[in-house]
Amino acid sequence: SQQGEEDPQALSIQEGENATMNCSYKTSINNLQWYRQNSGRGLVHLILIRSNEREKHSGRLRVTLDTSKKSSSLLITASRAADTASYFCATKSNYQLIWGAGTKLIIKP
Amino acid sequence: DVKVTQSSRYLVKRTGEKVFLECVQDMDHENMFWYRQDPGLGLRLIYFSYDVKMKEKGDIPEGYSVSREKKERFSLILESASTNQTSMYLCASSSDTNTEAFFGQGTRLTVV
Repeated sequence: SQQGEEDPQALSIQEGENATMNCSYKTSINNLQWYRQNSGRGLVHLILIRSNEREKHSGRLRVTLDTSKKSSSLLITASRAADTASYFCATKSNYQLIWGAGTKLIIKP
Repeated sequence: DVKVTQSSRYLVKRTGEKVFLECVQDMDHENMFWYRQDPGLGLRLIYFSYDVKMKEKGDIPEGYSVSREKKERFSLILESASTNQTSMYLCASSSDTNTEAFFGQGTRLTVV
Protein backbone atom coordinates (compact mmCIF):
# COMPACT_ATOMS: atom_id res chain seq x y z
CA SER A 1 0.00 0.00 0.00
CA GLN A 2 1.35 3.40 -0.92
CA GLN A 3 1.05 5.90 1.87
CA GLY A 4 3.45 8.70 1.04
CA GLU A 5 2.75 10.96 -1.87
CA GLU A 6 5.43 13.34 -3.02
CA ASP A 7 4.70 16.63 -4.65
CA PRO A 8 5.69 17.73 -7.21
CA GLN A 9 6.33 14.64 -9.32
CA ALA A 10 9.10 16.49 -11.14
CA LEU A 11 11.04 19.68 -10.44
CA SER A 12 13.59 21.44 -12.60
CA ILE A 13 15.56 24.38 -11.18
CA GLN A 14 18.76 26.32 -11.81
CA GLU A 15 21.91 25.45 -9.95
CA GLY A 16 22.17 27.55 -6.81
CA GLU A 17 18.43 27.80 -6.26
CA ASN A 18 16.59 26.08 -3.43
CA ALA A 19 14.47 23.01 -4.06
CA THR A 20 11.43 22.12 -1.97
CA MET A 21 9.64 18.79 -2.11
CA ASN A 22 6.59 17.80 -0.13
CA CYS A 23 5.29 14.51 1.17
CA SER A 24 1.84 13.69 2.49
CA TYR A 25 0.83 10.51 4.26
CA LYS A 26 -2.33 8.93 5.59
CA THR A 27 -1.86 7.12 8.90
CA SER A 28 0.00 7.70 12.16
CA ILE A 29 3.74 7.16 11.96
CA ASN A 30 6.79 6.41 14.10
CA ASN A 31 9.07 8.40 11.88
CA LEU A 32 9.43 9.75 8.37
CA GLN A 33 12.52 9.31 6.26
CA TRP A 34 13.83 10.88 3.09
CA TYR A 35 15.97 9.01 0.58
CA ARG A 36 17.76 9.90 -2.63
CA GLN A 37 18.13 7.67 -5.66
CA ASN A 38 20.52 8.40 -8.46
CA SER A 39 19.48 7.07 -11.86
CA GLY A 40 19.29 3.28 -11.93
CA ARG A 41 20.84 2.86 -8.50
CA GLY A 42 19.84 1.89 -4.99
CA LEU A 43 18.48 4.38 -2.49
CA VAL A 44 20.59 6.34 -0.05
CA HIS A 45 19.21 7.52 3.27
CA LEU A 46 19.29 11.28 3.76
CA ILE A 47 17.51 12.13 6.98
CA LEU A 48 15.08 10.70 9.53
CA ILE A 49 12.65 12.77 11.53
CA ARG A 50 10.74 11.24 14.42
CA SER A 51 7.06 11.84 15.00
CA ASN A 52 7.77 14.05 18.03
CA GLU A 53 10.17 16.30 16.09
CA ARG A 54 9.13 19.28 13.99
CA GLU A 55 12.31 20.19 12.15
CA LYS A 56 15.68 18.67 11.42
CA HIS A 57 18.78 19.84 9.59
CA SER A 58 21.64 18.00 7.94
CA GLY A 59 24.08 20.08 5.92
CA ARG A 60 22.11 21.70 3.08
CA LEU A 61 19.02 19.67 3.92
CA ARG A 62 16.15 20.86 6.07
CA VAL A 63 13.19 18.64 6.84
CA THR A 64 9.98 19.67 8.54
CA LEU A 65 7.20 17.47 9.84
CA ASP A 66 3.63 18.51 10.58
CA THR A 67 1.82 15.54 12.11
CA SER A 68 -1.46 17.45 12.35
CA LYS A 69 -1.45 17.86 8.56
CA LYS A 70 0.27 14.53 7.96
CA SER A 71 2.86 16.18 5.80
CA SER A 72 6.59 16.76 5.54
CA SER A 73 8.82 18.89 3.37
CA LEU A 74 12.41 18.51 2.25
CA LEU A 75 14.33 21.67 1.42
CA ILE A 76 17.66 21.48 -0.38
CA THR A 77 19.44 24.82 -0.26
CA ALA A 78 21.99 26.13 -2.78
CA SER A 79 21.37 23.22 -5.16
CA ARG A 80 24.20 21.61 -7.11
CA ALA A 81 24.28 19.52 -10.28
CA ALA A 82 25.06 16.48 -8.12
CA ASP A 83 21.67 16.88 -6.40
CA THR A 84 19.99 15.70 -9.61
CA ALA A 85 18.19 12.54 -8.50
CA SER A 86 14.83 11.18 -7.41
CA TYR A 87 13.80 11.84 -3.84
CA PHE A 88 11.48 9.59 -1.88
CA CYS A 89 9.76 9.92 1.45
CA ALA A 90 9.01 6.83 3.48
CA THR A 91 6.86 6.60 6.57
CA LYS A 92 7.55 4.08 9.26
CA SER A 93 4.61 2.16 10.61
CA ASN A 94 5.18 -1.09 12.51
CA TYR A 95 7.80 -3.14 10.67
CA GLN A 96 7.42 -1.54 7.32
CA LEU A 97 8.54 1.52 5.46
CA ILE A 98 5.79 2.74 3.17
CA TRP A 99 6.96 4.67 0.14
CA GLY A 100 5.77 7.41 -2.10
CA ALA A 101 6.33 7.49 -5.86
CA GLY A 102 9.08 10.10 -5.59
CA THR A 103 9.99 13.53 -6.89
CA LYS A 104 12.40 13.71 -9.80
CA LEU A 105 14.71 16.70 -9.30
CA ILE A 106 16.77 18.10 -12.15
CA ILE A 107 19.37 20.79 -11.48
CA LYS A 108 20.24 22.78 -14.59
CA PRO A 109 23.77 24.19 -14.80
CA ASP B 1 30.21 1.40 6.32
CA VAL B 2 27.18 -0.82 5.97
CA LYS B 3 27.24 -2.76 2.79
CA VAL B 4 24.30 -4.46 1.13
CA THR B 5 25.31 -6.41 -1.93
CA GLN B 6 23.01 -7.81 -4.56
CA SER B 7 24.38 -10.61 -6.70
CA SER B 8 23.67 -9.06 -10.10
CA ARG B 9 23.14 -5.55 -11.53
CA TYR B 10 21.46 -6.80 -14.69
CA LEU B 11 19.73 -10.08 -15.40
CA VAL B 12 17.87 -11.39 -18.44
CA LYS B 13 15.77 -14.52 -18.00
CA ARG B 14 13.24 -16.42 -20.07
CA THR B 15 9.58 -16.82 -19.24
CA GLY B 16 9.05 -19.84 -17.01
CA GLU B 17 12.58 -19.93 -15.62
CA LYS B 18 13.21 -20.11 -11.89
CA VAL B 19 15.15 -17.03 -10.87
CA PHE B 20 17.20 -16.44 -7.73
CA LEU B 21 18.15 -12.96 -6.57
CA GLU B 22 20.65 -12.93 -3.75
CA CYS B 23 21.27 -10.24 -1.19
CA VAL B 24 23.97 -10.15 1.48
CA GLN B 25 24.50 -7.57 4.23
CA ASP B 26 27.56 -7.28 6.41
CA MET B 27 26.27 -5.40 9.44
CA ASP B 28 24.45 -8.10 11.38
CA HIS B 29 21.06 -6.47 10.73
CA GLU B 30 17.97 -8.32 11.89
CA ASN B 31 15.62 -6.92 9.27
CA MET B 32 15.88 -7.50 5.54
CA PHE B 33 13.53 -6.49 2.77
CA TRP B 34 12.85 -7.11 -0.91
CA TYR B 35 11.17 -4.41 -2.97
CA ARG B 36 10.36 -3.98 -6.59
CA GLN B 37 10.40 -0.56 -8.19
CA ASP B 38 8.42 0.36 -11.26
CA PRO B 39 8.09 3.81 -12.86
CA GLY B 40 5.43 5.93 -11.17
CA LEU B 41 4.72 3.33 -8.50
CA GLY B 42 7.50 3.93 -6.02
CA LEU B 43 8.81 0.99 -4.03
CA ARG B 44 6.49 -1.89 -3.30
CA LEU B 45 7.34 -4.40 -0.62
CA ILE B 46 7.42 -8.02 -1.74
CA TYR B 47 8.63 -9.80 1.42
CA PHE B 48 10.53 -8.96 4.54
CA SER B 49 12.26 -10.90 7.26
CA TYR B 50 12.92 -9.84 10.84
CA ASP B 51 14.94 -12.89 11.85
CA VAL B 52 16.58 -15.98 10.45
CA LYS B 53 14.02 -18.38 8.97
CA MET B 54 11.27 -15.82 9.55
CA LYS B 55 9.45 -14.18 6.67
CA GLU B 56 6.44 -11.99 6.23
CA LYS B 57 4.50 -11.15 3.10
CA GLY B 58 4.54 -7.59 1.93
CA ASP B 59 2.10 -5.94 -0.42
CA ILE B 60 2.83 -7.94 -3.57
CA PRO B 61 4.08 -11.46 -2.67
CA GLU B 62 2.29 -13.31 -5.46
CA GLY B 63 4.71 -15.12 -7.76
CA TYR B 64 7.61 -14.74 -5.32
CA SER B 65 9.08 -16.62 -2.40
CA VAL B 66 12.01 -15.89 -0.11
CA SER B 67 14.58 -17.71 1.93
CA ARG B 68 16.58 -16.58 4.94
CA GLU B 69 18.72 -19.45 6.16
CA LYS B 70 21.47 -17.20 7.50
CA LYS B 71 21.20 -13.79 9.09
CA GLU B 72 23.29 -12.04 6.46
CA ARG B 73 21.58 -13.48 3.39
CA PHE B 74 18.07 -12.96 2.06
CA SER B 75 17.14 -14.54 -1.24
CA LEU B 76 14.22 -13.70 -3.49
CA ILE B 77 12.93 -16.48 -5.72
CA LEU B 78 10.74 -16.13 -8.76
CA GLU B 79 9.27 -19.61 -9.07
CA SER B 80 8.31 -19.23 -12.73
CA ALA B 81 9.34 -15.91 -14.19
CA SER B 82 6.79 -13.97 -16.18
CA THR B 83 7.13 -10.84 -18.29
CA ASN B 84 5.18 -8.78 -15.72
CA GLN B 85 7.99 -9.42 -13.27
CA THR B 86 10.35 -7.34 -15.38
CA SER B 87 11.39 -4.67 -12.92
CA MET B 88 14.10 -3.19 -10.71
CA TYR B 89 14.51 -5.26 -7.55
CA LEU B 90 15.95 -3.64 -4.45
CA CYS B 91 17.16 -5.34 -1.31
CA ALA B 92 17.49 -3.45 1.97
CA SER B 93 18.42 -4.11 5.57
CA SER B 94 18.02 -2.30 8.86
CA SER B 95 19.14 -2.89 12.43
CA ASP B 96 15.77 -2.31 14.02
CA THR B 97 12.37 -1.13 13.11
CA ASN B 98 12.97 2.53 13.83
CA THR B 99 16.17 3.24 12.00
CA GLU B 100 17.21 3.89 8.46
CA ALA B 101 17.31 1.23 5.79
CA PHE B 102 20.43 0.49 3.76
CA PHE B 103 19.94 -0.50 0.16
CA GLY B 104 21.81 -2.60 -2.33
CA GLN B 105 22.56 -1.25 -5.79
CA GLY B 106 19.53 -2.93 -7.33
CA THR B 107 19.04 -5.71 -9.88
CA ARG B 108 17.36 -4.81 -13.12
CA LEU B 109 15.59 -7.99 -14.20
CA THR B 110 14.21 -8.42 -17.69
CA VAL B 111 12.01 -11.42 -18.42
CA VAL B 112 11.66 -12.20 -22.13
